[in-house]
Amino acid sequence: EAGVTQFPSHSVIEKGQTVTLRCDPISGHDNLYWYRRVMGKEIKFLLHFVKESKQDESGMPNNRFLAERTGGTYSTLKVQPAELEDSGVYFCASSPWDRVYNEQFFGPGTRLTVL
Amino acid sequence: AQSVTQLGSHVSVSEGALVLLRCNYSSSVPPYLFWYVQYPNQGLQLLLKYTSAATLVKGINGFEAEFKKSETSFHLTKPSAHMSDAAEYFCAVSDLSGTASKLTFGTGTRLQVTL
Repeated sequence: EAGVTQFPSHSVIEKGQTVTLRCDPISGHDNLYWYRRVMGKEIKFLLHFVKESKQDESGMPNNRFLAERTGGTYSTLKVQPAELEDSGVYFCASSPWDRVYNEQFFGPGTRLTVL
Repeated sequence: AQSVTQLGSHVSVSEGALVLLRCNYSSSVPPYLFWYVQYPNQGLQLLLKYTSAATLVKGINGFEAEFKKSETSFHLTKPSAHMSDAAEYFCAVSDLSGTASKLTFGTGTRLQVTL
């Protein structure tokens, strides 16, 4: 079974540019989460999809961030325009809908550097 | 609100020595607790989880953790460190109450194992 995949693995952009991160969850997983780790700090929750619906987006920093999950499969996270403080590692995780204990399976992350 | 504190951002042990990584949590409801490990260039991998069953939880690779409600702790231990244990370890808490929910992470502890 393939794990959670993320693309790209690294992205370097300039301030003001747009970047789109992609996450492919494990097949059949209805729950999809985005997290972010700014260097030296904790991994922070951004948002949670159940299928194509946003269940919880309380962690989204501001309206420069837009997440979508069309058709309830893969998800994209767009940052537009990017700012210096957006640099960090963006993790995606997924879990089955019926997994009560919320074991989340994580992807390798996308390292975003905004110059 | 929930929170996790991991004491020690870096821990160094000799190969064969005891590994002890500390985690204290704060939660207003009975917590579900997790330890994840991140090896270089990989995603987070679940080591073990506490879900209100046995207080001593055994995980993969010889790790275990004990839930102590009176101390609000969930420390991770391994009797004998191996070079392959060098990685970053994250403690996390979920406010799960029957539905899938976000994880709140600590800042991580990087474990170094020396010869």
